[in-house]
Amino acid sequence: DTGVSQDPRHKITKRGQNVTFRCDPISEHNRLYWYRQTLGQGPEFLTYFQNEAQLEKSRLLSDRFSAERPKGSFSTLEIQRTEQGDSAMYLCASSLVREETQYFGPGTRLLVL
Amino acid sequence: KQEVTQIPAALSVPEGENLVLNCSFTDSAIYNLQWFRQDPGKGLTSLLLIQSSQREQTSGRLNASLDKSSGRSTLYIAASQPGDSATYLCAVDYGGTSYGKLTFGQGTILTVHP
Repeated sequence: DTGVSQDPRHKITKRGQNVTFRCDPISEHNRLYWYRQTLGQGPEFLTYFQNEAQLEKSRLLSDRFSAERPKGSFSTLEIQRTEQGDSAMYLCASSLVREETQYFGPGTRLLVL
Repeated sequence: KQEVTQIPAALSVPEGENLVLNCSFTDSAIYNLQWFRQDPGKGLTSLLLIQSSQREQTSGRLNASLDKSSGRSTLYIAASQPGDSATYLCAVDYGGTSYGKLTFGQGTILTVHP
């Protein structure tokens, strides 16, 4: 068990560009969560999957954001037409259904110039 | 609106002191409450999870309590060490249709100086 991994760890992009982040959950964890954390704040929920089904999306997730989890394994979070306000740490977590503890990855820090 | 608030925002103590971090939540109908630790630029590590039916949980020098009726939780750290320096976050799971969706406080930045 190598834990939750995220790639890339850091991303610098120019406003208007598209970016995609990847999260690999702990093997056999069927729940996968995405959170966003800005400086000095706690993480805010974005969306989560149970297996390949996306069960809930936060109002924070505008139509420029899309997340997928094909085949219920890894997940991708894509941001289209990035804005400076998208600059944040994007955290991924995974868990087993009915086991409440969520295991977090190291995060992807995004800076939009 | 379901909100989670942590006080203080920052705390600096000398090594060896016992300390208490506070977390309050506006909606007492919680499913569970978790305390996490976050080191600078890193992800979160789960410390303790308290179910809504429990009053406290302990792990080593850490003790977390839960009082649903008053909407409060505390994290007690005994005999603090410089390695305890980090941001501590509490998070509430309200269960039901929101099961697994955590609502976080803004965190308490703890510095333990030698």
